[in-house]
Amino acid sequence: NAGVTQTPKFRVLKTGQSMTLLCAQDMNHEYMYWYRQDPGMGLRLIHYSVGEGTTAKGEVPDGYNVSRLKKQNFLLGLESAAPSQTSVYFCASSYPKAGQSSYEQYFGPGTRLTVT
Amino acid sequence: LAKTTQPISMDSYEGQEVNITCSHNNIATNDYITWYQQFPSQGPRFIIQGYKTKVTNEVASLFIPADRKSSTLSLPRVSLSDTAVYYCLVGDPWGGKLIFGQGTELSVKP
Repeated sequence: NAGVTQTPKFRVLKTGQSMTLLCAQDMNHEYMYWYRQDPGMGLRLIHYSVGEGTTAKGEVPDGYNVSRLKKQNFLLGLESAAPSQTSVYFCASSYPKAGQSSYEQYFGPGTRLTVT
Repeated sequence: LAKTTQPISMDSYEGQEVNITCSHNNIATNDYITWYQQFPSQGPRFIIQGYKTKVTNEVASLFIPADRKSSTLSLPRVSLSDTAVYYCLVGDPWGGKLIFGQGTELSVKP
């Protein structure tokens, strides 16, 4: 199993450009998440999905859109990139099922995005 | 939303026990407490999770008092390879209210 993979690993954008980050998981997990990580801020939840075709806002959703057309993929889009969106983006997946010993998230390796 | 607070950094020596405490005064009834470890240029990795009292696995213990307003991650006999950033996460596994702490940078010295 590859687990959670993210594409691309690095990207540099100019202000106003758009791009899409792809997250894929092969664990048949229902839940998927997008986080951003900034120095001194920990990880902050951008959007999440509890199943195919569903998405919901997290703590910092402004400036981002997401789609979950297939269970294994979760896309994060930036329509008009801003320097404030320079960050490391992590995708995660989980499968919280009652009766499990734990409900952990599995994280991808991250995408480092720089907006100039 | 539950706000989480943890120490920014801690130092330790090989072979010592390390305890990292996370404060989460506004924890909700459905919230679990989870700890993750992160190495540079990698995604966080699950360490341990609990709801109340004490949980132990092969790498760590998690102590949660009755009021659940704090939690303590205990790493027994740390080694150099335990040098990493440790994050406390509070939230409902079935919901989207997931709040990470700012992380504690643990440095283990020989």
